This record gives sequence, C-alpha cells and structure tokens, in this order.
Amino acid sequence: QITLKESGPTLVKPTQTLTLTCTFSGFSLSTSGVGVGWIRQPPGKALEWLALIYWNDDKRYSPSLKSRLTITKDTSKNQVVLTMTNMDPVDTATYYCAHAIAVAGTPYWYFDLWGRGTLVTVSS
Amino acid sequence: EIVMTQSPATLSVSPGERATLSCRASQSVSSNLAWYQQKPGQAPRLLIYGASTRATGIPARFSGSGSGTEFTLTISSLQSEDFAVYYCQQYNNWPGYTFGQGTKLEIK
Repeated sequence: QITLKESGPTLVKPTQTLTLTCTFSGFSLSTSGVGVGWIRQPPGKALEWLALIYWNDDKRYSPSLKSRLTITKDTSKNQVVLTMTNMDPVDTATYYCAHAIAVAGTPYWYFDLWGRGTLVTVSS
Repeated sequence: EIVMTQSPATLSVSPGERATLSCRASQSVSSNLAWYQQKPGQAPRLLIYGASTRATGIPARFSGSGSGTEFTLTISSLQSEDFAVYYCQQYNNWPGYTFGQGTKLEIK
C-alpha cells in the first residue's frame, strides 16, 4: 500500500525559504518508472504543478517557478524534499506530494496517489 | 505552455442523472490526459488516465473519452458521493503539467 505524507512549517515569513518533506512508503524511488511530484493549491483555487523528480534523479520544474524551486530525494529515507525560496503571501497554499507513474514504455507520467497535503501560510 | 479549459465552471445535476464535464486543451495532448476528483478538505483522487482508462477502484459509472484537444468525463448516474470538484490535467507536453481550473459538480 502506497502512502505519502507532507511535513513542514505551517507559517513562513515573506522572503524566507520554505522546506517541505514528503515521506512515503510502499514503493522505492530507486525503482525504474517511479517518480514523486509536488503540486500546490491556493485556498479556493485550482491545482498547480510545481516539480517532479524521477527514480534516476532527473528533475523537472514548473517554468514559472523554476528559479525558486529545488527538488531532491533521499532514497534511503524514502523522502523527497522541496525547497522554495523568497516566499510571498501569494504562495499561501496547500502543498501536496504525489506518486508519479509512467505510462508503460513512454515518457508520459501522471499522478496516481496523493498525500493529504499541508497548508502553508505566508505572512509576516 | 498548454492551457486547459474546463466547462462549465459549475454544473448542477440531480442524483441519478447523468453529468457531462468538458475539458479542452489549447493544443493537442494526444491521450495523455487525467481526471481527478476532489472533495472539500481532501486530496485529489485519480479517476481516469490515458483519457479513458479508469484508475484502480473507480466505479464503472465514471467514464472518460476524447483525444487531441477535446475531452469529456461522464458520470452515468450520479450518487451523493460524486458531488465534488473535478480537474483535468495534461501530461503530454513540456514544459510542465497543467491542470484545468476545475468544474464544481453540485446537487440540483
């Protein structure tokens, strides 16, 4: 059974760096065809994809946020960490991590299982 | 960047009736499209991937169709637990995965 859980601060100040950790179980991020992504959702708004890390340590970022994001993995701890620099009140959102799986034999990935999310508020 | 447009923004349907939700891509995404259901205070749940393949455990009343730029999610006979917000997402084109703005399915 695959589970994912997000953790990190609930409140950050403007200009600070946010560090979120996704701790997962039920799969290994060293297995071919597996990835973990981050998606966020401002209150009452739509979903926005942020970043994705693959089993081979390849990484993809949202073009609009790429300069502020870093995604890393620690396979031994079953964790993926997302850092976002220069936080602003508009970054207030629920942040989700999700298990990503590739369509067999293709480079196309989708998110099949999600964590429950963690609400991050940016305020001074 | 591909823009995903969902319609309508809100859909009012009575229990037991059929609901049809639409999603349009600004350029072709082939069949690399997923649908998610989100209930208040919960994470999104994958319903459909590959435009028409139901995810594990998803009831048969949910069906997806379409390819290229036009997609549809149909719920054949609405149950009380189906009232939620539905999102489409393309995973075909870089840069980036993009989601639609969502359709809220409410009880009529």
